[in-house]
Amino acid sequence: GAVVSQHPSRVICKSGTSVKIECRSLDFQATTMFWYRQFPKQSLMLMATSNEGSKATYEQGVEKDKFLINHASLTLSTLTVTSAHPEDSSFYICSIRTSGGLETQYFGPGTRLLVL
Amino acid sequence: GEDVEQSLFLSVREGDSSVINCTYTDSSSTYLYWYKQEPGAGLQLLTYIFSNMDMKQDQRLTVLLNKKDKHLSLRIADTQTGDSAIYFCAESIGGNTPLVFGKGTRLSVIA
Repeated sequence: GAVVSQHPSRVICKSGTSVKIECRSLDFQATTMFWYRQFPKQSLMLMATSNEGSKATYEQGVEKDKFLINHASLTLSTLTVTSAHPEDSSFYICSIRTSGGLETQYFGPGTRLLVL
Repeated sequence: GEDVEQSLFLSVREGDSSVINCTYTDSSSTYLYWYKQEPGAGLQLLTYIFSNMDMKQDQRLTVLLNKKDKHLSLRIADTQTGDSAIYFCAESIGGNTPLVFGKGTRLSVIA
């Protein structure tokens, strides 16, 4: 069964509005979650590392005021795309990192954002 | 530095074997992974191999690891149209850092 869920799966919004994407860890307490953006040519870009109870760590070139991350509990992280523009249209995927035993990452099903 | 490389496209006929190759650079990687992404979906963990192994077989999937050359491959036997997807190679460099992913290989299976 699914380990990570994301909501919504698809969202269309007008330019200038903000969009919140939720990522839930269903089977693990995730102290760390990762947010990725996937471009049409398929490569994954790590945007930020979301740490429970503390500030997210953003990758170089990712605007923290544009992409607000909140990781308020061990099972929920949210990504808010503020004042979205058409160039923010993309596929956003969250992931949790597991430890103790097989260290791996499980991914959510992704959220398709289209900004008009 | 961290860099995982894989070819971007592979096309095979249904019933043939597919071999997807990957090279990585960090010799301290503990685990290496293969993920599968179907259209419009997230990444699904397909298989993995621990760095002290050189081969792992799981039904139609065979993973080969050449640690000396830092080369990882995924062989899919009797490839089916349902295997059409993007396959990502990834390495774990430990700690709480995210996995390092390649750019993905798009496998197309021709009926």
